[in-house]
Amino acid sequence: SQTIHQWPATLVQPVGSPLSLECTVEGTSNPNLYWYRQAAGRGLQLLFYSVGIGQISSEVPQNLSASRPQDRQFILSSKKLLLSDSGFYLCAAQGYSPLHFGNGTRLTVT
Amino acid sequence: SQQGEEDPQALSIQEGENATMNCSYKTSINNLQWYRQNSGRGLVHLILIRSNEREKHSGRLRVTLDTSKKSSSLLITASRAADTASYFCATRNYGGSQGNLIFGKGTKLSVKP
Repeated sequence: SQTIHQWPATLVQPVGSPLSLECTVEGTSNPNLYWYRQAAGRGLQLLFYSVGIGQISSEVPQNLSASRPQDRQFILSSKKLLLSDSGFYLCAAQGYSPLHFGNGTRLTVT
Repeated sequence: SQQGEEDPQALSIQEGENATMNCSYKTSINNLQWYRQNSGRGLVHLILIRSNEREKHSGRLRVTLDTSKKSSSLLITASRAADTASYFCATRNYGGSQGNLIFGKGTKLSVKP
């Protein structure tokens, strides 16, 4: 079965600082990978998805970027964080339907 | 963009009662899935129902799908305190980019012991 590792679990960063969140996947090869953001009390917003190494699609324009340097590694980055980047970030993988999620990173931008 | 909309937004029941949550969506779908999220954790897949299915069971879960009304319901029977969580429906659309799942805003279920 698939296991999704996300770290860190919580992060507090000042406005204007850079960001790097990492997600790694075990138990499947060549998965589709996703980054979602969840605002407090809200549903999930798809930010990025990737169908293979180096292939990134962005669903919404934003201050964030994503990269997939290895088959089972997905990184979410920002050069300069904004207050509005605060939220709960979830990485997900799909080898076969359904999606498997990591436990998320709670990002607070102060 | 949001596709599914769960109803109600919040639901509070006593242990042993049944909990029913509804989901409405807007466009034609390939399948509809329900996920559960414990507070501060990732989502866990519960059940998937395909567009040509009308009802599906898994343990204490029962899902129905009415494609003519573009709606689905999730029934949890004989609820337990451990069922306390947020429940999300998600749809996979025909022709959607890479078949990405679109999630609703969720129903927050509280089961009191």
